[in-house]
Amino acid sequence: GQQVMQIPQYQHVQEGEDFTTYCNSSTTLSNIQWYKQRPGGHPVFLIQLVKSGEVKKQKRLTFQFGEAKKNSSLHITATQTTDVGTYFCAGFRGYGQNFVFGPGTRLSVLP
Amino acid sequence: NAGVTQTPKFRVLKTGQSMTLLCAQDMNHEYMYWYRQDPGMGLRLIHYSVGEGTTAKGEVPDGYNVSRLKKQNFLLGLESAAPSQTSVYFCASSPGRLNTEAFFGQGTRLTVV
Repeated sequence: GQQVMQIPQYQHVQEGEDFTTYCNSSTTLSNIQWYKQRPGGHPVFLIQLVKSGEVKKQKRLTFQFGEAKKNSSLHITATQTTDVGTYFCAGFRGYGQNFVFGPGTRLSVLP
Repeated sequence: NAGVTQTPKFRVLKTGQSMTLLCAQDMNHEYMYWYRQDPGMGLRLIHYSVGEGTTAKGEVPDGYNVSRLKKQNFLLGLESAAPSQTSVYFCASSPGRLNTEAFFGQGTRLTVV
């Protein structure tokens, strides 16, 4: 079954509103990656987090790794129509393992 | 740069038919992966390879076989297609397993009727 969960499954926002998606793992993660997939497209790497409590920013996107390294979040400030897509987290448990993807959060932005 | 290229982009199969999906990467990456994507399920790893001549099972390997005869190519085979294998298949490659991003192909939409 799924070892990495994401909430919410869907989110509809008005352009200009903020958006947050949460990623939760049942086990401690070595690191976590975030990907974005536009409708009809393929996943594209956004960022990787490695350290406990790490916070990284990319323009309007803020990524955070929890202190216990079991959860992560992606926050988008003032959404734009170009932010539309599905955001996936992928957790890595450690040596000999592979990344496990969450089910994704689909974001719709209404103009 | 082409990156990761998948062939074909679309395919319709009848139950019981076989086919091979081809993935080619021009980045000299050691690691290659095959995922399937189904609604609400995210990306699930089918098989992967850590180098030329090596393959390993992922999360959902049943009904699929793979081969990595050349470093740049990773083939996914369906010997006897079933409707449950209707999905979008993505190939990805990465230079390593840890601390490296994965580069995805554009996907293959497969329908088994």
